Amino acid sequence: EAGVVQSPRYKIIEKKQPVAFWCNPISGHNTLYWYLQNLGQGPELLIRYENEEAVDDSQLPKDRFSAERLKGVDSTLKIQPAELGDSAVYLCASSPHSATDTQYFGPGTRLTVL
Amino acid sequence: GENVEQHPSTLSVQEGDSAVIKCTYSDSASNYFPWYKQELGKGPQLIIDIRSNVGEKKDQRIAVTLNKTAKHFSLHITETQPEDSAVYFCAASTDGGFKTIFGAGTRLFVKA
Repeated sequence: EAGVVQSPRYKIIEKKQPVAFWCNPISGHNTLYWYLQNLGQGPELLIRYENEEAVDDSQLPKDRFSAERLKGVDSTLKIQPAELGDSAVYLCASSPHSATDTQYFGPGTRLTVL
Repeated sequence: GENVEQHPSTLSVQEGDSAVIKCTYSDSASNYFPWYKQELGKGPQLIIDIRSNVGEKKDQRIAVTLNKTAKHFSLHITETQPEDSAVYFCAASTDGGFKTIFGAGTRLFVKA
């Protein structure tokens, strides 16, 4: 069974540029999460989808971050414009149904903003 | 909201010794407590989890204990091996809730 796929694995951009991350969850998983992981910290939830519906985006900085999960399968997270403080690892995870199911994480995208 | 504190932040043990990582949580409604292992350049991977109707769970060399009254849970790794070296995260979440809250992580070094 294929795991959670994320791309790109690494991205270096200059501040004020846009950037997008892509995630393909495990087949059949209804719930998809985007997390932010700063160096030396645990993952922090940005947004959670149940199928195509964003059910928790309270931690998503909506002035510059946006996300979509069209058709309830893969998802894209975008930052526009990027700031220096956005440098981090962006993790995608999926689970069969809910937050109390096992979450399966992708390898993450390491973003560096110069 | 939920807050999860994890200790220690760094732990160094000799191969073959045991390692214990402790976490406390604040929301008494939390009822699911997973532990994740994260190796360099990879996403966190679940190693064991426990639900609030159970006090202890074991899987080979790893075990987790839960004290609901005190709101703390612990990860125990016995007979540690160099390949156990990684960052370990505890987490807490609630049935029907919308967030899994992670601790800050423990970097475990197992010296050969």
